[in-house]
Amino acid sequence: DTAVSQTPKYLVTQMGNDKSIKCEQNLGHDTMYWYKQDSKKFLKIMFSYNNKELIINETVPNRFSPKSPDKAHLNLHINSLELGDSAVYFCASSHGTGRDSPLHFGNGTRLTVT
Amino acid sequence: AQKVTQAQTEISVVEKEDVTLDCVYETRDTTYYLFWYKQPPSGELVFLIRRNSFDEQNEISGRYSWNFQKSTSSFNFTITASQVVDSAVYFCALLNYGGATNKLIFGTGTLLAVQP
Repeated sequence: DTAVSQTPKYLVTQMGNDKSIKCEQNLGHDTMYWYKQDSKKFLKIMFSYNNKELIINETVPNRFSPKSPDKAHLNLHINSLELGDSAVYFCASSHGTGRDSPLHFGNGTRLTVT
Repeated sequence: AQKVTQAQTEISVVEKEDVTLDCVYETRDTTYYLFWYKQPPSGELVFLIRRNSFDEQNEISGRYSWNFQKSTSSFNFTITASQVVDSAVYFCALLNYGGATNKLIFGTGTLLAVQP
């Protein structure tokens, strides 16, 4: 039933490790996103993919690499994790660029780097 | 530059009070979209409303109402007869019309605490 699902919900890891977060949507949307919410609750876009093609890449360290195997999936791989990467990461999807339909968000993945 | 300002960081009300959450936006585009999202303590982001720049009609949905005023670049959100379940962080957001690289820009959120 879940429209946008991301796993895991919680991720605790040590500095220097590599980790991945998976996201899947069953809404038939063609655009998917990763947003980062920091400790002050500020939400900022990281990446956007449309039909598996990267269309937005904000100023994100290249330790972050999104991968979209098909338009229903957008995974986020993070290399060499740092303390500052601790945040909640939200996956979202929409038809087109969000003009035609609102963004639907997953429940978030809380990443804690120790 | 696109910007969304939610000047109220935190609001505390007692149940059954009405409360208005302010949102002021900046954009150079003539066509754009405005949104409100709710983030309850459980953490998920819940879509509440989308409004395009050509539709200045106010909207009411149950206890929720939205007042869009282009003249003051504001899109305020009012909860009537607030309930404890309304306690959440509320985000206002702006989407410009530009094209494939549209980005949804969020305000910093307003934490609403409804006391019983």
